[in-house]
Amino acid sequence: NAGVTQTPKFQVLKTGQSMTLQCAQDMNHNSMYWYRQDPGMGLRLIYYSASEGTTDKGEVPNGYNVSRLNKREFSLRLESAAPSQTSVYFCASRGDRKEKLFFGSGTQLSVL
Amino acid sequence: AQSVAQPEDQVNVAEGNPLTVKCTYSVSGNPYLFWYVQYPNRGLQFLLKYITGDNLVKGSYGFEAEFNKSQTSFHLKKPSALVSDSALYFCAVRDSNYQLIWGAGTKLIIKP
Repeated sequence: NAGVTQTPKFQVLKTGQSMTLQCAQDMNHNSMYWYRQDPGMGLRLIYYSASEGTTDKGEVPNGYNVSRLNKREFSLRLESAAPSQTSVYFCASRGDRKEKLFFGSGTQLSVL
Repeated sequence: AQSVAQPEDQVNVAEGNPLTVKCTYSVSGNPYLFWYVQYPNRGLQFLLKYITGDNLVKGSYGFEAEFNKSQTSFHLKKPSALVSDSALYFCAVRDSNYQLIWGAGTKLIIKP
């Protein structure tokens, strides 16, 4: 029972490099989310997808792009990484008419 | 403005004593309130929610939370703390766009 799987777990980038964070869920959920977690700030929503084929901006979308590849997968791309994007990134999913979020184990990203 | 406040960065409790982690909120309409827990190097896990009904909500691992409308609070409680309860606790409220607004988190330390 995998739930929400994120890869990679750790990544170090140089300023200006690009990378994609992968997320997949096996619970047949329609809604998927990308959050970043910074010390003392809780979680902030980057992008979300209410269903396959749709994506919407959250609170802090600048510098990021997302793709809802299919119902299972929702990826987050940093086109040109900046030190301000150093953070822990979490993917989450939610079932229809359910309030409970299921989280992946996170990606710790450092941009030097 | 819609917001969540967790006024304590850290709470220290001796094992066996009761614990309270505080949360206050500001949101238009009836609040949907949540508590999540994060263990080290893990994603967040759902503990409990308040949507309607009884002001005292019971959740996972023996935790409960008390909704107080007049004080706009949703404090997390447990009658007898365990060392294994040591973790980071997040309060969240659903906003008018059906997204969660998160508190900054409270680190709970239970000392043997």
